[in-house]
Amino acid sequence: SQKIEQNSEALNIQEGKTATLTCNYTNYSPAYLQWYRQDPGRGPVFLLLIRENEKEKRKERLKVTFDTTLKQSLFHITASQPADSATYLCAPQGASKLTFGTGTRLQVTL
Amino acid sequence: DGGITQSPKYLFRKEGQNVTLSCEQNLNHDAMYWYRQDPGQGLRLIYYSQIVNDFQKGDIAEGYSVSREKKESFPLTVTSAQKNPTAFYLCASSPVLGVESQPQHFGDGTRLSIL
Repeated sequence: SQKIEQNSEALNIQEGKTATLTCNYTNYSPAYLQWYRQDPGRGPVFLLLIRENEKEKRKERLKVTFDTTLKQSLFHITASQPADSATYLCAPQGASKLTFGTGTRLQVTL
Repeated sequence: DGGITQSPKYLFRKEGQNVTLSCEQNLNHDAMYWYRQDPGQGLRLIYYSQIVNDFQKGDIAEGYSVSREKKESFPLTVTSAQKNPTAFYLCASSPVLGVESQPQHFGDGTRLSIL
């Protein structure tokens, strides 16, 4: 069955550093992959979408890579700020619907 | 501002009771979705609808029902047949389902608890 793995342990980094979050998937080949941010008690908010023929996508301080050979996406936040603290969800998209990972919580400290 | 409104934010259900969660969108989106989120688990799809008067079961539809009588509205009923209904329920919408990949817009959820 399809499986998505995101690090369940929280990622703690210092303000100004680059945060890197990992999303691994198995048993399918998504054509797209989306990343979302979720704050406690709120719904997810869409951040970025990358297609299988795109190696990298950037938006301001965010960068996403998509390696279909490794079956992995990396999500980077450069110059991290305390306001970036949240849970980040990856969502590969197969034939039609999105499948969400469990998310990785990022904590940025001063 | 356009968006998705879910109500109520908190809901309590007695054993054997059906409850209905509201979801309204003013984004003019065709597709709407209901997800359930439990601690330590990803969002799981309950039902989705691509068009008015049509909806499909997701991965965990048992014990739930939906309707799509209007484009803007997609209410979810948690029936007494759902034995473990305590969860955070999220409604989402997107412009079109299945054509290219479309970002989903989410409401802020309803937290359902059993009394």
